[in-house]
Order: sequence, then structure tokens, then C-alpha cells
Amino acid sequence: GIQVEQSPPDLILQEGANSTLRCNFSDSVNNLQWFHQNPWGQLINLFYIPSGTKQNGRLSATTVATERYSLLYISSSQTTDSGVYFCAVWANNLFFGTGTRLTVIP
Amino acid sequence: GAGVSQSPSNKVTEKGKDVELRCDPISGHTALYWYRQSLGQGLEFLIYFQGNSAPDKSGLPSDRFSAERTGGSVSTLTIQRTQQEDSAVYLCASTLSGGAGDTQYFGPGTRLTVL
Repeated sequence: GIQVEQSPPDLILQEGANSTLRCNFSDSVNNLQWFHQNPWGQLINLFYIPSGTKQNGRLSATTVATERYSLLYISSSQTTDSGVYFCAVWANNLFFGTGTRLTVIP
Repeated sequence: GAGVSQSPSNKVTEKGKDVELRCDPISGHTALYWYRQSLGQGLEFLIYFQGNSAPDKSGLPSDRFSAERTGGSVSTLTIQRTQQEDSAVYLCASTLSGGAGDTQYFGPGTRLTVL
């Protein structure tokens, strides 16, 4: 199956800092999605981004499909951004990466 | 309903017993997915239902796992003769049409502990 790798595995930020999370995938895919799993386990879809760049508030994402990677940018981080960020790629079903665990400290 | 619901939220069982986990998708969503998330890990695809089509069972780890979806709505995941390695959070998601670009809406999960 498709391999999806995320980096870094863990990230600790001071509130207000910016960060970039990376997702590499091993094969051509139809789409890529970013999810946030909060500390209580609830998964929320952030972006559907097969290519190009999208922005939603303090978050933005860029996918370069030809080079098989996607980036998630978090600006002016807040403690509520803490949790695990997953990217997932679609190839008949969703293949999830192992996630980046983000901790934002006040 | 307003979102995807799952029950029970927690299930503790003894090794060898059978368990049933339930998922109620968002009303009108035709596609339903089951995933398993082991502690500290990503999500592992288990099974996918799309409308009246035969389900994609390619992710089921063994023949002890089965799932059905009745009336195109509620789904039940059954694990027979549970083993300790089955302990995980089981997540259900639904999408409007099941296409590659559809947003997946996840339920809160069922935490299964096999003693």
C-alpha cells in the first residue's frame, strides 16, 4: 500500500509561534486531507487539498502532488491547537500517516 | 442527527468474548468507514461501505472481524473471540457520497479494552 510519512513526530511550541508540518507520500494520489485529532480523540477534517494552496484562518496547507508532499502551516499557535495532526491520502480508501503530536504551551 | 455517533464509548471485555460496536452515520450520508487506532498510532482502515455496493473489506485484519450495514444507515462491527491485540479505539466515519474528495466526518470512537 501507499506509504505516508509525517514529520516531525513530536513538536512543542510556545504560544504565538509558527510551525510547519510535513507529509510525504510514496505514490501518486487522487487527493490528500489533513485532520486534527484533539486531546479527547475527536478527529476533525481541516483541509481537502489534492494540489495547490488553501487557507483557513491561521492554518494553511500546500500540496505539491508532482513531488509527493504536503505542508501544513500553523501561524500564531494557540493552546487549543494542541493534539495530533494527521495527513491522509486517498487510494481506494484513506491511508493515514502516523501523525505529528503538537503541544502548544502558554 | 447532528454528527456521527458511536456506542458504546468504552467497552471492556475478556479475552475470547465477542463484542459488537455500533455506528450511526450522519443522516443522508451514503458512505461509511471503520478504522482502528492503536495507542499512539495512526488510523488503520478496516472496511468501507458505499451505498448498496459490496463493502470493501480489504482492511479487516482477520476473519474474526466482520461488519454489516443495515438499511444503508447504521453499521455494526463485530469482533469474535477477542484477543488482547484487538484493544484499540475503533472509529467510524461517514461521507456524503464516498468520493475521494468527500470530507470524512468522524464519530467519537469506541475504546475497546480486552483483558
